[in-house]
Amino acid sequence: DAKTTQPPSMDCAEGRAANLPCNHSTISGNEYVYWYRQIHSQGPQYIIHGLKNNETNEMASLIITEDRKSSTLILPHATLRDTAVYYCISGYNKLIFGAGTRLAVHP
Amino acid sequence: EPEVTQTPSHQVTQMGQEVILRCVPISNHLYFYWYRQILGQKVEFLVSFYNNEISEKSEIFDDQFSVERPDGSNFTLKIRSTKLEDSAMYFCASSALQGAKDTQYFGPGTRLTVL
Repeated sequence: DAKTTQPPSMDCAEGRAANLPCNHSTISGNEYVYWYRQIHSQGPQYIIHGLKNNETNEMASLIITEDRKSSTLILPHATLRDTAVYYCISGYNKLIFGAGTRLAVHP
Repeated sequence: EPEVTQTPSHQVTQMGQEVILRCVPISNHLYFYWYRQILGQKVEFLVSFYNNEISEKSEIFDDQFSVERPDGSNFTLKIRSTKLEDSAMYFCASSALQGAKDTQYFGPGTRLTVL
């Protein structure tokens, strides 16, 4: 079973920041937190990952709490093309996907 | 930008037939994976492969399934005798390193339909 919990769905207005929360309270010290997304039935697309520090890349920012029990993925300016299912995953080798958060970006 | 490719994009087969799904991982990657996603359900891990050996497999990956790296570029998943419940999207992934430090990159998937 997935070791993370996420809200099943969220809405966001186009152009606004989308903040997607994830709880991973049982994460162990050497496990990274990964974020992927899946648009329709396409292959999961890597977004970002982190261990302890906050991370930013061209797609998103990842904020990890100091105790590492939760994190937030931030899409700074959501577009309609960001509508997808977003998965927060903690793991060591294989990726265990949960149900994710279905993000709907609307005009 | 390098990417994982998979062929075919859609495979239709009769129950009981053998199918081989093909993947070309990113060229400098050493770790290879297969996942599947039944329509409307979660993405599920099947198997990981390194150095010509299975390193981990799930309960789904029973004796009907096998993986192979027949040459330096391809990575294949064979289903020996397909069942209706094998109908799913099958995703190949690869990574340069194993474990938490590295990222798995996924291919576009093969949709397998078993009739």
